[in-house]
Amino acid sequence: QKEVEQNSGPLSVPEGAIASLNCTYSDRGSQSFFWYRQYSGKSPELIMFIYSNGDKEDGRFTAQLNKASQYVSLLIRDSQPSDSATYLCAVRNTGNQFYFGTGTSLTVIP
Amino acid sequence: ETGVTQTPRHLVMGMTNKKSLKCEQHLGHNAMYWYKQSAKKPLELMFVYNFKEQTENNSVPSRFSPECPNSSHLFLHLHTLQPEDSALYLCASSQAGRETQYFGPGTRLLVL
Repeated sequence: QKEVEQNSGPLSVPEGAIASLNCTYSDRGSQSFFWYRQYSGKSPELIMFIYSNGDKEDGRFTAQLNKASQYVSLLIRDSQPSDSATYLCAVRNTGNQFYFGTGTSLTVIP
Repeated sequence: ETGVTQTPRHLVMGMTNKKSLKCEQHLGHNAMYWYKQSAKKPLELMFVYNFKEQTENNSVPSRFSPECPNSSHLFLHLHTLQPEDSALYLCASSQAGRETQYFGPGTRLLVL
């Protein structure tokens, strides 16, 4: 079983819509959860992180964490073509190991 | 620019060559990381250094040898690599005790 799983996509949404990206993790005791964005040919850049159950909002981005379900998601409101990228979910587990998912490719269609 | 630089950006080497990748961070961080990113695979953490001391080595083959002479510089020495080692090698840094990592632009490595 993989530590972090994401649907590889591609996910396509029209401009202005809400994009929903999902991630599940295997270590129930994991404490820290991260979303990175990676444009083609570029390195990952941190969008946001979340530690507590519930929602955390930052501009057009909302991270949602449900530890009981071992599920973390990222919502992008008012999606723009510039949001087209691969989104990586990362988790730090109880062994203090840092694991990334394979990423979900998002395309926002103008 | 995130304050983390890597050189070279691209590298082609034969299986018998020896080369080194360099990473430098200008953020005042004291933890540095090497990751490997292959197509269709998750980012793989290779090595972690905290305050110049190696704290993690995730079962990386000995043909990869890290070196951290100070908290601002990190090297990855390569020798007798295999074609399957071709990948994007990313360096990252963070402040120890904080989990936000900042990535460099990466070195695209091709082993022939």
